[in-house]
Amino acid sequence: DSGVTQTPKHLITATGQRVTLRCSPRSGDLSVYWYQQSLDQGLQFLIQYYNGEERAKGNILERFSAQQFPDLHSELNLSSLELGDSALYFCASSIDGGTNPGREQYFGPGTRLTVT
Amino acid sequence: EDQVTQSPEALRLQEGESSSLNCSYTVSGLRGLFWYRQDPGKGPEFLFTLYSAGEEKEKERLKATLTKKESFLHITAPKPEDSATYLCAVGTYGQNFVFGPGTRLSVLP
Repeated sequence: DSGVTQTPKHLITATGQRVTLRCSPRSGDLSVYWYQQSLDQGLQFLIQYYNGEERAKGNILERFSAQQFPDLHSELNLSSLELGDSALYFCASSIDGGTNPGREQYFGPGTRLTVT
Repeated sequence: EDQVTQSPEALRLQEGESSSLNCSYTVSGLRGLFWYRQDPGKGPEFLFTLYSAGEEKEKERLKATLTKKESFLHITAPKPEDSATYLCAVGTYGQNFVFGPGTRLSVLP
């Protein structure tokens, strides 16, 4: 158990809909990262938050957005969903804060999103 | 552009048959190299962090080493429960983790 929690575990929804994925980091970690993992692609970095502020953006679509709340939990919002958005979405946390990552990230169990 | 490659793509071993997985990287400034294990449908599990060439880390049947251009994950006398995908990632200055595509390891009893 990494100490990172994610809900829900599974999500099935229709195209065009909007969903919210939730993540709670390990105790003491201020950084939260979101990743997408599709069958034919590896882990793709989406976005990083540190202590409530956006720190770095990766290959995140404009239809996707995220935020980190004062209690440090984070939410990833996916809207106007398409079939291609079906994937595993992982959240990770780290004690590292900047965009110079030198510390390990700990991953949650993931949310499996299926868009039908 | 920072790049991470892993080889082989897939590896099948007999139980007890030792081998090594390779992670090669091209980065502008390495802050750390990280190894993870991932089981199907699960989140990556952190294994090791390596910071400088010549550094080695061990855990049970796994040993990770680092040179200036690559890292190796040595698996000694593997067991079926070692079957998983092994991912390496690099942390670099000015960029978040870049993950390699992974090596899918199968250990047959």
